[in-house]
Formats: sequence, C-alpha cells, structure tokens
Amino acid sequence: KAGVTQTPRYLIKTRGQQVTLSCSPISGHRSVSWYQQTPGQGLQFLFEYFSETQRNKGNFPGRFSGRQFSNSRSEMNVSTLELGDSALYLCASSLLTNYNRQPEQFFGPGTRLTVL
Amino acid sequence: DAKTTQPPSMDCAEGRAANLPCNHSTISGNEYVYWYRQIHSQGPQYIIHGLKNNETNEMASLIITEDRKSSTLILPHATLRDTAVYYCIVRGGEYGNKLVFGAGTILRVKS
Repeated sequence: KAGVTQTPRYLIKTRGQQVTLSCSPISGHRSVSWYQQTPGQGLQFLFEYFSETQRNKGNFPGRFSGRQFSNSRSEMNVSTLELGDSALYLCASSLLTNYNRQPEQFFGPGTRLTVL
Repeated sequence: DAKTTQPPSMDCAEGRAANLPCNHSTISGNEYVYWYRQIHSQGPQYIIHGLKNNETNEMASLIITEDRKSSTLILPHATLRDTAVYYCIVRGGEYGNKLVFGAGTILRVKS
C-alpha cells in the first residue's frame, strides 16, 4: 500500500507570496491532518479534515487555510507569506471510523518551505 | 489533553534495551498514552499506544504504571536506526486526530 505522499517536497517563496501544498492520503483513509514543524515551536497542529469538512483547527492565523476533496486528497494554502512561515509542513492520514475514534496517524515526508 | 514531561536526551548502547520514560501526572481516565518517533528529516512514525494495560507490538513495549501517572517505552534491542526523537503524547477520548507534540526525547543509540 502506498504511503502518504506530499508535493512538492521543497519550495522556495518570497515574502508576500502565497503557496499551496498538496497531500494524498493512504488509500481508504478519509481523515487528513496538517502540522507545522519549526525549530523554535516544534510540531504544531494546523487543522484536520474528514469527509471534506474541517473538524478541528489549531491556533494559527487565518492566512493558513485548507480544504479536502471528495477523493480525500487535501491541500493547504498559506497566503501573504512571512519569514516565520519557513517550516516543514507535514500531512498525516488515518482510518478514522465510528469504531476507531483514535487511530494511529501515518505521516508523509513533508514539504520543506523556505520563505525569503 | 494532559501535559507530558520527558527527558530531553538519552543515550543507549546498540543491542541493549532503551527505556524511555514519560510523566503524565494529570492524565484523566479516558486519555490514552501514545508514542511516536521522528527520525531526522522524516515524518513522525507511530510506535504504540495504550490506556492502562501494558502493550507490546513488533516495535516496542509500553509499560503504564498502575496509577497511570507515568509510562515507559521499551525498545528491547536498540539499533543505530532507532536514533530519533521520541514523543510521548496523551490524547483524550474525543473523536478526532489532533496530536499535541511536546519537545520529546532525543535517543542516541551508539555502537
């Protein structure tokens, strides 16, 4: 079974630009979560999507947004990029069901975003 | 979600058991203990989780104290490839997938 894939793997942008990152979950997984990892703040939860609906949101400004498509693929968007947005952005998918409410999460390799 | 406390770093000799402690003194009755690890520049990897009974899988064992205020992750025969940051996470019984990561423990396995 293919794992979680994220594209692109590396990205360089300049301040003020916007960026869209993509995540394809493991086949059959309908829950997708996004995390930001920086040296200073560590791993922080951004948001979670399930069946195209945002179920949970972390403490990030509105410049960070996401969506999920009917095939469970997800995208996250960061508008008006700031230097502090430079980070590793990780996507995770899981087999969340009514019978398994806290399944293990499978993480992708991440997208390394550098803002200049 | 309850807060966890882990030592910032630990060393272990290759082939020996690695015992990684975690304190979660404010854990409540419906909260699970999860362990993930992150090898350099990769996404975190799920290891194991438990509620109150000890758990074992092909990767590790999880020992949870009877009062549930602390736990230990055991890697029975550590290898160089087990060098990673290990995160102990306590999650509530809510429906969903939010993981709150702390700083974790850097485990260095040395030959």
